[in-house]
Amino acid sequence: QSALTQPASVSGSPGQSITISCTGTSSDIGGHNYVSWYQQHPGKAPKLMICDVSNRPSGVSNRFSGSKSGNTASLTISGLQAEDEADYYCNSYTSITTSHVFGTGTKVTVL
Amino acid sequence: EVQLVQSGAELKKPGESLKISCKGSGYNFPNSWIGWVRQMPGKGLEWMGIMNIANSDTRYSPSFQGQVTISADKSISTAYLQWSSLKASDIAIYFCARGENGAWPNWGQGTLVTVSS
Repeated sequence: QSALTQPASVSGSPGQSITISCTGTSSDIGGHNYVSWYQQHPGKAPKLMICDVSNRPSGVSNRFSGSKSGNTASLTISGLQAEDEADYYCNSYTSITTSHVFGTGTKVTVL
Repeated sequence: EVQLVQSGAELKKPGESLKISCKGSGYNFPNSWIGWVRQMPGKGLEWMGIMNIANSDTRYSPSFQGQVTISADKSISTAYLQWSSLKASDIAIYFCARGENGAWPNWGQGTLVTVSS
């Protein structure tokens, strides 16, 4: 089971919107809605930002939104802020191993 | 409040065994999923395996099958990740996470494992 594919880096200026893509297959992203996104700051544990493709857990800013089309999921951060600078990982259930698989990770830089 | 508290950093020699722990509190540990994630220095997150604590159903990612063992003790709400013979390539931070409805909302603080002769 290979990792899901994400761009290595995405950048934007404060206030702008950015979108991170996550491409998988019909065995993972395309096959169900157990797609989630995690934010990780350096030296910290990952934090759940989006679950079930597009749902925000309590306490997560509404500047974060998720969507899916076919085998590709996306995370959009609107109104980019300095505190959003971090690594972001998508995650999906996969029917191949009946477990989960992460994306390759995307470093978000706020210019 | 849900919490996952992991055991402290470890310094081991190649070939030694190791068992690290993850103690859950604030939720129904015996009826939950626990996952273990590896993060090698400067690299991304990798699922090692997940376990249904209720029935001990354990699913290892192919890269980790046969390399580690995931277990749990329901009586003390603690999950474990175990190696029988460490290698230098096992140097990493290891995270545990609680699963809920296909996502992983709660994470331990991570355990740094260093392997050096």
